Amino acid sequence: GAGVSQTPSNKVTEKGKYVELRCDPISGHTALYWYRQSLGQGPEFLIYFQGTGAADDSGLPNDRFFAVRPEGSVSTLKIQRTERGDSAVYLCASSPNRDNNVLTFGAGSRLTVL
Amino acid sequence: QQQVKQSPQSLIVQKGGISIINCAYENTAFDYFPWYQQFPGKGPALLIAIRPDVSEKKEGRFTISFNKSAKQFSLHIMDSQPGDSATYFCAATPGTYKYIFGTGTRLKVLA
Repeated sequence: GAGVSQTPSNKVTEKGKYVELRCDPISGHTALYWYRQSLGQGPEFLIYFQGTGAADDSGLPNDRFFAVRPEGSVSTLKIQRTERGDSAVYLCASSPNRDNNVLTFGAGSRLTVL
Repeated sequence: QQQVKQSPQSLIVQKGGISIINCAYENTAFDYFPWYQQFPGKGPALLIAIRPDVSEKKEGRFTISFNKSAKQFSLHIMDSQPGDSATYFCAATPGTYKYIFGTGTRLKVLA
């Protein structure tokens, strides 16, 4: 696609529920990243994929968070047993490859946990 | 050492004025310093970026000034326009995918 596409744009859920957030990167970009942006803050790194594998998941806050990219294109961020503190905008970005670290961000998925 | 400190938190400038946003860092391994512009409801968009081998980079009305010895860099927006009203984030990375972002500056340009 022309840009990084993220769905849903907004998600409201109840505490304890499971959510999935989807990212469709720019066509041909092999590197994909998830960041989290809390209200009034800059984005914080969560996880980086090079191809299908998670090359670095050191930013995931705990084991309730998991992400996959099974075919090296679309990625899904999965959050189990959501907590109110998980409320944030989840941003996906992609770059052409691991040697080109100029990130292009999507518009984000705003998650609200009630 | 991984932080990037950004100031001011908010800024109001008259149309045609100069907007200046400052960032400071500690990690000398950082070697790429981008600035991102974010409008409400949108993701951050790359505005301009610099590497530490130059002291200044200009693109249109936007200039980055970089002071390697002081570990500081700043964004200057000349002839600021109401359409520039947005939140601006500085960032730094040691040549990897793991960007460290500042906390953002909310700029409002008055018509």
